[in-house]
Amino acid sequence: SQQGEEDPQALSIQEGENATMNCSYKTSINNLQWYRQNSGRGLVHLILIRSNEREKHSGRLRVTLDTSKKSSSLLITASRAADTASYFCATDAGGYQKVTFGIGTKLQVIP
Amino acid sequence: KAGVTQTPRYLIKTRGQQVTLSCSPISGHRSVSWYQQTPGQGLQFLFEYFSETQRNKGNFPGRFSGRQFSNSRSEMNVSTLELGDSALYLCASSLVGRGAPYEQYFGPGTRLTVT
Repeated sequence: SQQGEEDPQALSIQEGENATMNCSYKTSINNLQWYRQNSGRGLVHLILIRSNEREKHSGRLRVTLDTSKKSSSLLITASRAADTASYFCATDAGGYQKVTFGIGTKLQVIP
Repeated sequence: KAGVTQTPRYLIKTRGQQVTLSCSPISGHRSVSWYQQTPGQGLQFLFEYFSETQRNKGNFPGRFSGRQFSNSRSEMNVSTLELGDSALYLCASSLVGRGAPYEQYFGPGTRLTVT
């Protein structure tokens, strides 16, 4: 079963706009990660946020984490056509690591 | 460093056959995880190997098995293939230590089609 659930499942925006994706999870976590997947290819790690962090930035990416609500959001600012991909959140509950992925958000950025 | 490699990239098999997929992790990475990705189920965790031992296992039938060699390369095997096994199989490696964040590096995947 999926630990994380991304919302929305699909998102279509114009180039230059911001894209926000949300992830909710069910159990306590050590950290949460976001990955990107271009069509039918492997996943690329974007950013990791630890459970004791509230916000993290990496380039045009901003991730927030609210452990009280068991939710995270990924914001991509000034989107580009090349950002078109599926985005997944993955939760790590610690111990011998077993990372659990959500279903993903499919982002389309229209040039 | 070279990334995670998976072979073959594409595979077509017939129901009832078996298949072996291979994954070479990034040099120095001792943990290898396997995932099955389908449009309906998303990314499903199959199993994780560390130092030749299976540490975690997902909810898949016994037809799915794997192993890891002393050089950290890993193989997964699916026996008695079913149509529903058609999927993208992803391998990910990680440089893990207990308590360290688990950042995974994924290979390009093997696209398996069962006819």
